[in-house]
Amino acid sequence: DQQVKQNSPSLSVQEGRISILNCDYTNSMFDYFLWYKKYPAEGPTFLISISSIKDKNEDGRFTVFLNKSAKHLSLHIVPSQPGDSAVYFCAAGTSGTYKYIFGTGTRLKVLA
Amino acid sequence: DVKVTQSSRYLVKRTGEKVFLECVQDMDHENMFWYRQDPGLGLRLIYFSYDVKMKEKGDIPEGYSVSREKKERFSLILESASTNQTSMYLCASRYNEKLFFGSGTQLSVL
Repeated sequence: DQQVKQNSPSLSVQEGRISILNCDYTNSMFDYFLWYKKYPAEGPTFLISISSIKDKNEDGRFTVFLNKSAKHLSLHIVPSQPGDSAVYFCAAGTSGTYKYIFGTGTRLKVLA
Repeated sequence: DVKVTQSSRYLVKRTGEKVFLECVQDMDHENMFWYRQDPGLGLRLIYFSYDVKMKEKGDIPEGYSVSREKKERFSLILESASTNQTSMYLCASRYNEKLFFGSGTQLSVL
């Protein structure tokens, strides 16, 4: 049973426009969420995180929104750039535990 | 910056071989993890360690073991490699709720 789902395997966006990547989770115990970006043949790199006491966190072009009642989070990238083309993973965890559960990833392609 | 180093970028092994994947972190982090990444399946946790000599099974531990004799080093062992263990293996350490990943080892088992 997949506790963290990224239902869109891929997404294409024009350069300069907004990219919205979505993530749904089922476990109401999750209270910390992260987004990672991964280029081919490299390890994932941390992008942005949010704890359940917030509903929004912003860092430059990246904003994460959390809707706890819907068990849904989204990553917004504005404006999108060709260098943003990568696979994006969301991850969820629970305070006091060690594990993070990752989604299956969304491949973003930003078209120049 | 946190540095997590995986000893090999690419490995090719034969079925039945014992395989060692090594990971070293330079930030004195207590928690370390091994994930594998497969297309369509995302990152799945194999094992993790919350301190020296302490380990716990993740979601897919079958066919794997781990060793953590020193804080900075966490090894993943494939006791008898099989073709279904062909995958990208990612090591990570954790600090302040964030995971820091190595570059990964692409393992092919023939």
